[in-house]
Amino acid sequence: EAQVTQNPRYLITVTGKKLTVTCSQNMNHEYMSWYRQDPGLGLRQIYYSMNVEVTDKGDVPEGYKVSRKEKRNFPLILESPSPNQTSLYFCASSLKDGNTIYFGEGSWLTVV
Amino acid sequence: AQSVAQPEDQVNVAEGNPLTVKCTYSVSGNPYLFWYVQYPNRGLQFLLKYITGDNLVKGSYGFEAEFNKSQTSFHLKKPSALVSDSALYFCAVRAPPSNDYKLSFGAGTTVTVRA
Repeated sequence: EAQVTQNPRYLITVTGKKLTVTCSQNMNHEYMSWYRQDPGLGLRQIYYSMNVEVTDKGDVPEGYKVSRKEKRNFPLILESPSPNQTSLYFCASSLKDGNTIYFGEGSWLTVV
Repeated sequence: AQSVAQPEDQVNVAEGNPLTVKCTYSVSGNPYLFWYVQYPNRGLQFLLKYITGDNLVKGSYGFEAEFNKSQTSFHLKKPSALVSDSALYFCAVRAPPSNDYKLSFGAGTTVTVRA
């Protein structure tokens, strides 16, 4: 089954404790991206990657890092999480044409 | 810059009545337009898209949307709503193929269908 898998799905962590949210897709997609969803703001893009070793900033990259060492994986790294990073995070992927973007189930992150 | 507006935070309809969720967009060039639905505690599910061709697009679960270039709108419609259609709906737009396939999302519209 074609899917985008995120882990963990739910996490409560403390300020400053580094964490990584993993994302993996099994569709051989070139394009992958991270979004965060906040009430009243819709989804906003954090980072994206057009292919292996190619990443770029989205609209709200501050406080986040990503890497794309393999085509299927695109982890999101919070080096020093802060409470304003409490949010619902979505990973997405698509073929190079970008015509249909598939989303993961989401990861609820709470930073206290 | 591309953007999407969903002018209604909430839409309430009775089951069996028509459902419309409004969306207007702003983008350079011909838009790629999408509707996604999010059920409580679930991810985003793709409903339908407009890339090119017929302005009326049919999608999943009986939904359809009409692309109107002159009004820069892409309203989502369903002729007869079901209670199970209650969810959060997002309209999204992206520019034609470029270096960034970023989707710009509206703030979302919560649909409540009452029995």
